[in-house]
Amino acid sequence: DGGITQSPKYLFRKEGQNVTLSCEQNLNHDAMYWYRQDPGQGLRLIYYSQIVNDFQKGDIAEGYSVSREKKESFPLTVTSAQKNPTAFYLCASSIGDSYQPQHFGDGTRLSIL
Amino acid sequence: ILNVEQSPQSLHVQEGDSTNFTCSFPSSNFYALHWYRWETAKSPEALFVMTLNGDEKKKGRISATLNTKEGYSYLYIKGSQPEDSATYLCAFTNDYKLSFGAGTTVTVRA
Repeated sequence: DGGITQSPKYLFRKEGQNVTLSCEQNLNHDAMYWYRQDPGQGLRLIYYSQIVNDFQKGDIAEGYSVSREKKESFPLTVTSAQKNPTAFYLCASSIGDSYQPQHFGDGTRLSIL
Repeated sequence: ILNVEQSPQSLHVQEGDSTNFTCSFPSSNFYALHWYRWETAKSPEALFVMTLNGDEKKKGRISATLNTKEGYSYLYIKGSQPEDSATYLCAFTNDYKLSFGAGTTVTVRA
């Protein structure tokens, strides 16, 4: 089945540590996105990529980094510079224009030890 | 960051009753308005992408209307069933990015 796979489902980070969240899609979509969800708030865009080897900052990119070396993969690194990383992270993909829906993974919940 | 607001934040509805809720978004430079359903322990699922003022879309018992001039969209659930319990998200776009509202959480009581 085509879809988006995020791993791990749960992740724990120690203070000062970088952690990487995985997102893989087999939908042949050009665009991929990372969102963060906090209680009572809408999904907020961290980074997005419309094509391989290119990505742009979203609304809350500080403390995060991404890469897009392959069409299928868009990993997100939460760096030690992100002071409040505890959140639920969702990855999505789409054909690439605003008139098409985004397809989401199941999410990764990151917590600080 | 574009301001997208959804109301109410949550609602409870009796099985068989109909309900509706609102998404408000900026009325300038409109591209599209997305609706997603997010059930607990699942990933968000696209319901509709709406692009034209006055547009109405339907999927089973769920329908949505769009008013781009005044910046709002309604989502309607007719004859609510327990499986309709979910958080419904709307998202506005005027470029390649979506700006999401905080969602309306619907709980259908049997």
